[in-house]
Amino acid sequence: AQTVTQSQPEMSVQEAETVTLSCTYDTSESNYYLFWYKQPPSRQMILVIRQEAYKQQNATENRFSVNFQKAAKSFSLKISDSQLGDTAMYFCAANSGGGADGLTFGKGTHLIIQP
Amino acid sequence: DGGITQSPKYLFRKEGQNVTLSCEQNLNHDAMYWYRQDPGQGLRLIYYSQIVNDFQKGDIAEGYSVSREKKESFPLTVTSAQKNPTAFYLCASSFRGQQPQHFGDGTRLSIL
Repeated sequence: AQTVTQSQPEMSVQEAETVTLSCTYDTSESNYYLFWYKQPPSRQMILVIRQEAYKQQNATENRFSVNFQKAAKSFSLKISDSQLGDTAMYFCAANSGGGADGLTFGKGTHLIIQP
Repeated sequence: DGGITQSPKYLFRKEGQNVTLSCEQNLNHDAMYWYRQDPGQGLRLIYYSQIVNDFQKGDIAEGYSVSREKKESFPLTVTSAQKNPTAFYLCASSFRGQQPQHFGDGTRLSIL
């Protein structure tokens, strides 16, 4: 069984600032995947970034990057040059290495980008 | 365009009634999933299926049932045994053993 914890229910930053969303997880698996999903007001679930646990290099997708600390079981998301369209719920999620048995989600962080 | 289609977008259930939520995908994905989302909560796994004619219970399967007769389709039935069905339901799919999961646009279920 896995658990995912997001300790920041809501965050607010000014446009163009950098913001970091926190996530910790717990798993007994040796091989697993970690994800950040974005859910805007439309309620679509959009994959932001993913990280394979066996890869030491932190994943990066344009303005989005992660800080993956495997020993600490920490997986934070950094958004650089934040934009108004980044306003959304952000969910951290984990999956075991088999990959097909469903995701375990955190409760989410509501990120508000102020103009 | 390939994607996941959930219908209806909004659904209302009367007390004691079973309702079925539809999920269809044309991505040729093997695995399909159903999640429930409540306010202030993350998504919780209801059922998942890795291949046709096979499915497994997730964390909150009580009061729900599924079938997987076709690769493209994974309908979810909310039975009268589910005492608190009001929620947002999301369907997802992926290639078996691969990530990530792609999501549909969801169905909002409410009680009349």
